[in-house]
Amino acid sequence: GENVEQHPSTLSVQEGDSAVIKCTYSDSASNYFPWYKQELGKRPQLIIDIRSNVGEKKDQRIAVTLNKTAKHFSLHITETQPEDSAVYFCAASKSSGTYKYIFGTGTRLKVLA
Amino acid sequence: DGGITQSPKYLFRKEGQNVTLSCEQNLNHDAMYWYRQDPGQGLRLIYYSQIVNDFQKGDIAEGYSVSREKKESFPLTVTSAQKNPTAFYLCASGQGLADTQYFGPGTRLTVL
Repeated sequence: GENVEQHPSTLSVQEGDSAVIKCTYSDSASNYFPWYKQELGKRPQLIIDIRSNVGEKKDQRIAVTLNKTAKHFSLHITETQPEDSAVYFCAASKSSGTYKYIFGTGTRLKVLA
Repeated sequence: DGGITQSPKYLFRKEGQNVTLSCEQNLNHDAMYWYRQDPGQGLRLIYYSQIVNDFQKGDIAEGYSVSREKKESFPLTVTSAQKNPTAFYLCASGQGLADTQYFGPGTRLTVL
């Protein structure tokens, strides 16, 4: 069945360093890839997304890259800050079939001050 | 995501009771979703609805029921058949295929 693998499950970085989280999807028809940040006890919030017609997208310290051939996409956070500490989820969806997302299992990011 | 509300924020259920969680959106979204999240875990899809008066089972639908009588509302009932319902329940809505889902603030359900 369809699935999204997300790695690593936990990631610790020093403040100011970069963090990279990778997701690999199985359904080649997937064409929309959002990333969510979830702080403890809160709702997931969209931080960036990318569609399959684009290879990279940036928003200040956050970027997402997509490799359709390899079927993987990555979240890059530069100059990390303590407030970046949270759980990050990737997801994949497509323009045909059902409306549901396939979510990754999450990455717990800790930024050490 | 400010246009999605869930109530109550906290809910306590006794053994054998059915309880209903509310989800309302004013974003004019066609699709609505219910997810369950256990402590330290990911998001698991319970039910979703792509249009009024229609809904589909997700990955863990057993012990839950939903209705979609209005575009704005998608209530979730946790029945007594759900043996381990203690969890954080998140509702989401979106325009549909390959589009952003926006989450409500969640309801934390605890079985006493």
